[in-house]
This record gives sequence, structure tokens and C-alpha cells, in this order.
Amino acid sequence: AQTVTQSQPEMSVQEAETVTLSCTYDTSESNYYLFWYKQPPSRQMILVIRQEAYKQQNATENRFSVNFQKAAKSFSLKISDSQLGDTAMYFCAFMNYGGSQGNLIFGKGTKLSVKP
Amino acid sequence: DAGVTQSPTHLIKTRGQHVTLRCSPISGHKSVSWYQQVLGQGPQFIFQYYEKEERGRGNFPDRFSARQFPNYSSELNVNALLLGDSALYLCASSFRQGDHSPLHFGNGTRLTVT
Repeated sequence: AQTVTQSQPEMSVQEAETVTLSCTYDTSESNYYLFWYKQPPSRQMILVIRQEAYKQQNATENRFSVNFQKAAKSFSLKISDSQLGDTAMYFCAFMNYGGSQGNLIFGKGTKLSVKP
Repeated sequence: DAGVTQSPTHLIKTRGQHVTLRCSPISGHKSVSWYQQVLGQGPQFIFQYYEKEERGRGNFPDRFSARQFPNYSSELNVNALLLGDSALYLCASSFRQGDHSPLHFGNGTRLTVT
């Protein structure tokens, strides 16, 4: 069975600085998808970024980028120019290729605090 | 356009009771999934429904059941509630079941079992 591990329960960063959140996963599959979701106090899960395992190029979305290391089964999220609105829980998630985004496996999350 | 809506937002029940949680997907979305998020943990997959049929089930006891209606809204039912069922229940919808269809989450229902 696939597992997702986030080893940093909490992190903090100063506004405008850069922070990296870590995620490792375990799977025997060669094709899959990885995601980072953000959950602010409003409780709504919001997709931040998505990576297909068969793509070597790291995904980027504005201030958010990932460092995908397939051999190491590592998928970290880098947030540049951190903003107060980035304060939230961040969850790493895994999905089998050919599966459904309705069935995601989540890590336990990292609580990120952005300080003014 | 309205997002995924869930009702109620909060609910308090007693052990042994039954509860029904409701979810309305984004207009045009045909797939609905349910997740349980216990405090301090990531969401855990419970069910997925697509075109009114169950397409996936997580590792939850038979006390948990769900259904999807012709208008694609969905209900999650939990029987014989236990203290451990206290959690945030999240509903998510997508246009279709395939892996290129982004998932949109609601704000959840906070269930407290006393």
C-alpha cells in the first residue's frame, strides 16, 4: 500500500522569505501523481500544485514550485516570497496513475505560519 | 458559480445515534468523494461515487454508507456512532472520474460524538 510521510509537523517563516516543506512517499508503481493541498482555517482544501511522475520537469505555479526526486521518492514544496495568506496546513497527497482524483492518499500535514 | 456545499456545518450527536451528512457538488460535476479528517491528521478516503454508482471505498466499517442522487448530490450515512467518529467530514467533487479532472472540496461538516 502506498504511504505519504510529512516529517515536519510545524514550520514558520518570515514574510517575504522562502520556505520548503518536505514530503516522502512509498510506492511500487512507476506512474502516479503527486499533489500539494493547502487547508486554511476556513477548512476548505485548495489544490496548490500537481506533478505527474512521468514528467521530469518540476511543476511550478507562480510562487509555488516543487522539487520532485523520483528515485528518492521525495516531493518537496518551495514557497517563495511568503505571504501572510500562505498561513495554513499543507498536505502532500498521492494518487495512482489511472486512478481517480477522488481517491487520494494524504500525509499528516505541516502547519505553516508566516510571520510579519 | 457556487462551490461544493456541505450541510450541516457543525453537528453534535450521542454515541449509538445515526447521522446523515449532505453534499451538493459544483454544477456539472458528476463525481463526489467523501473523506474523514480526524484532528491532527490528513483526510482519509471513505467513498467515491460517479454517475450514481459506487466507484471506490476506503477502509471503513460497514457502519459507513453513502449514495448519490440523480442530481449528483450525495449523502454520507454513519450508523451506531462511536466517539472515534468525531472528525471533519469533507466532500469533494470533480467533473468526471478520470485523473485529469481536478478535485474541488467543500468546507466540511464538523461532527462531534459525545
